Amino acid sequence: DAMVIQNPRYQVTQFGKPVTLSCSQTLNHNVMYWYQQKSSQAPKLLFHYYDKDFNNEADTPDNFQSRRPNTSFCFLDIRSPGLGDAAMYLCATSRVGREAQHFGDGTRLSIL
Amino acid sequence: GENVEQHPSTLSVQEGDSAVIKCTYSDSASNYFPWYKQELGKRPQLIIDIRSNVGEKKDQRIAVTLNKTAKHFSLHITETQPEDSAVYFCAASSPGGSYIPTFGRGTSLIVHP
Repeated sequence: DAMVIQNPRYQVTQFGKPVTLSCSQTLNHNVMYWYQQKSSQAPKLLFHYYDKDFNNEADTPDNFQSRRPNTSFCFLDIRSPGLGDAAMYLCATSRVGREAQHFGDGTRLSIL
Repeated sequence: GENVEQHPSTLSVQEGDSAVIKCTYSDSASNYFPWYKQELGKRPQLIIDIRSNVGEKKDQRIAVTLNKTAKHFSLHITETQPEDSAVYFCAASSPGGSYIPTFGRGTSLIVHP
């Protein structure tokens, strides 16, 4: 059974049109992460939540926002997507920071 | 913050050979070191991890070694098979980064039949 579920798997949006990606988990983990991954690169951390405590990476563009309304769900909002935001977006969870991460299958975002 | 270097970026081996991927880290307080395998178009999945109180850990054909003095850790895959072909990422978790893992850049392993 999938434990970290991302929707949708594929998302196409227009340049500048806001888009929201969602992630849910059944593991009851404290930490949830959003990563951006471009082809042949390592996942790049955008944000993480430790419970409700939000942590923004210093180089995450202001265009990216996140919400975690409860333990199970986390959302990534891209307010005005640019061509450079086309990528795979991965959600992950872990019980605490120094334990294994469980990744979702990702959402591949395309920008027209 | 933590800095993780991973080498090589690409590794090509013949089926049945061994493969070794090496990572170095900068924060001597780092205490958790996972390895993830990512097949093309799929999500990263944990294959093995090690904590700083252990020098070596093995799981069938996969092993990880940790040298805290030198601040490096390595992934060893023996008797490689074509299905081992993937990108492998190492990571390190340090208290300076609230234990949020820092990833290496990845190694693309190609196993030729």
